[in-house]
Amino acid sequence: LAKTTQPISMDSYEGQEVNITCSHNNIATNDYITWYQQFPSQGPRFIIQGYKTKVTNEVASLFIPADRKSSTLSLPRVSLSDTAVYYCLVGDRYGGSQGNLIFGKGTKLSVKP
Amino acid sequence: ETGVTQTPRHLVMGMTNKKSLKCEQHLGHNAMYWYKQSAKKPLELMFVYSLEERVENNSVPSRFSPECPNSSHLFLHLHTLQPEDSALYLCASSQDPGAEEQYFGPGTRLTVT
Repeated sequence: LAKTTQPISMDSYEGQEVNITCSHNNIATNDYITWYQQFPSQGPRFIIQGYKTKVTNEVASLFIPADRKSSTLSLPRVSLSDTAVYYCLVGDRYGGSQGNLIFGKGTKLSVKP
Repeated sequence: ETGVTQTPRHLVMGMTNKKSLKCEQHLGHNAMYWYKQSAKKPLELMFVYSLEERVENNSVPSRFSPECPNSSHLFLHLHTLQPEDSALYLCASSQDPGAEEQYFGPGTRLTVT
C-alpha cells in the first residue's frame, strides 16, 4: 500500500510551470521524499530527492513544508517531452530493506502544444 | 543509458516453458531489485538483493526464482507461468538498499501465451 496520495492526472501546455503536489500525512522521521519520472514501456528515472525545505537541481525543484506532510514537485517551462507519469515516494534512505520504495499509481502529466 | 542493462527486451513464452531474465549493472552498486509492472497497475517490488543476499521477497509465487551470483548480475528464472504474469519486468540497482536513488533498466516485456 503506497504511503502517498497524488492526483491521477494533470494537463499543461508547453512553456508553463507545472506543480504536482503529493500528500504523505504519515511520513516518518527518517523518511525522505523522492520523485521519479516514467515514460511508457521504460523504467522510472530518478528526478529529485529531499528531506525538508527546498531542493533544486537542473531538472526540477522540490518544496517541502515544515510539517513534511506534503511536497510539491515543480517543473519549470515544460515541453512535450515531459509528458510522463510522475511518482512521489517516501522511504527511509538509510533504513536498508525497511526503506524499500513503494510505488503508487503516480500522476500522469500530459503536456500539450 | 542508466548503467543497468536487461536482456532480452522482449520475450514470448508458453506456460510450460522455462526462461530466464538477465540484469547487469555497471555502477558498482550493492543492491539490486526486481519489479513487476502490469498494465494499469503500480510497480510491484518482487525481490531485493543486498551484497548478493536476498533481503526481501514480497510474497512472490515460486514460479519466479531469483538468482544473484554476484553484485553485478541478477537473474529471474521463470517456469510454468500464467497468462496473468504477462507484464514489464524491471531491474534496478542502488548503492545500498533503502530509499536511495535507484537506477532502472529498460525492462523486459514478457508475454505468456
